Amino acid sequence: DTAVSQTPKYLVTQMGNDKSIKCEQNLGHDTMYWYKQDSKKFLKIMFSYNNKELIINETVPNRFSPKSPDKAHLNLHINSLELGDSAVYFCASSQDIPDTQYFGPGTRLTVL
Amino acid sequence: GDSVTQMEGPVTLSEEAFLTINCTYTATGYPSLFWYVQYPGEGLQLLLKATKADDKGSNKGFEATYRKETTSFHLEKGSVQVSDSAVYFCALSNAGGTSYGKLTFGQGTILTVHP
Repeated sequence: DTAVSQTPKYLVTQMGNDKSIKCEQNLGHDTMYWYKQDSKKFLKIMFSYNNKELIINETVPNRFSPKSPDKAHLNLHINSLELGDSAVYFCASSQDIPDTQYFGPGTRLTVL
Repeated sequence: GDSVTQMEGPVTLSEEAFLTINCTYTATGYPSLFWYVQYPGEGLQLLLKATKADDKGSNKGFEATYRKETTSFHLEKGSVQVSDSAVYFCALSNAGGTSYGKLTFGQGTILTVHP
């Protein structure tokens, strides 16, 4: 069983489109995160939810909107995609704060 | 705010060579420290961690010791293998302030091991 899963694995789309990335964890964790990895491999936090409540919003453009329908899911919706949004997006989860975070396999988003 | 600095890469070694990847941090309070590894085309996996000063994390022959006096968490392995080729990330997590446990990463170090 995959602990943290993301769909899709690859996403290729045109500028201006709207897209969503889904994340699910079956670890029973209370906290979930979204990270962005740029082309130089640098990783930066975007959002975090604890028990479905937003606790971190790290100066991310309003075009990005996370949604947590329940503790096991954290989805990322992106409006009006721009070239600079091309990156790999990782979902992660942890039981406590701070604690080991378990990462999904990543979603490679390419905006043309 | 919190920050992590890793040694510049890429690092290229021959099999069985000794590995050191330097990592230093700046943080308030008492953060937890981590090394994560990313194999080509994959997500991040926890390699080892330490939660308080003088703790030593170890896994798969890799070791790192939490040094509060030098604010460092250097990664070492005595004899690397080709299968160790990957990107290594040093990271910290702080519960205090507005950190809420987020991971702050270093820039990553690409390691290539040749037979």
